Amino acid sequence: EAQVTQNPRYLITVTGKKLTVTCSQNMNHEYMSWYRQDPGLGLRQIYYSMNVEVTDKGDVPEGYKVSRKEKRNFPLILESPSPNQTSLYFCASSFRTAVPGELFFGEGSRLTVL
Amino acid sequence: LAKTTQPISMDSYEGQEVNITCSHNNIATNDYITWYQQFPSQGPRFIIQGYKTKVTNEVASLFIPADRKSSTLSLPRVSLSDTAVYYCLVGDLRAAGNKLTFGGGTRVLVKP
Repeated sequence: EAQVTQNPRYLITVTGKKLTVTCSQNMNHEYMSWYRQDPGLGLRQIYYSMNVEVTDKGDVPEGYKVSRKEKRNFPLILESPSPNQTSLYFCASSFRTAVPGELFFGEGSRLTVL
Repeated sequence: LAKTTQPISMDSYEGQEVNITCSHNNIATNDYITWYQQFPSQGPRFIIQGYKTKVTNEVASLFIPADRKSSTLSLPRVSLSDTAVYYCLVGDLRAAGNKLTFGGGTRVLVKP
């Protein structure tokens, strides 16, 4: 089944404790991206990657890192989480050369930083 | 980078048609307009996409005027299960370095 898988789905952590949210897709998509969703603010892009070893900042990259060493994986790293990073995070992927803008989303990861 | 503006919310009743308009005044020549639907605790799901004029599929229609500065998603004969948040997205994934920015979303509530 074609899907985007995020882990963990739920996480409660404390300020400053490094964490990684993994994202994996099995559709051979070139494009992957991370979004955060907060009440009243819609979906805001954190980072995106056009292909392996190619990443770029979205609209709200501060406090986050990403890497794209393999085509299928695009982990989101919070080196020193803070309470303002409490949010619902979504990973998405797509073919770059196919329907422009048709993103496939994961189920989301709800992160709480105390 | 095309910024989008949508109404925050709208209510409707079962069986009615719902029209949601998205404004995107600075849309670029290569940008497409894509709409997504999101249910609580789920990721957004692709509904429909268009470049100009009208596009129709089994769930919705998308109307885009000639100047492309706005677009309207039309949901015919809505049911309770169409209660969701609808997002307008303007951009072109094929362009290197193209960020994809979602609008704030429109919360649609379908009442019995």
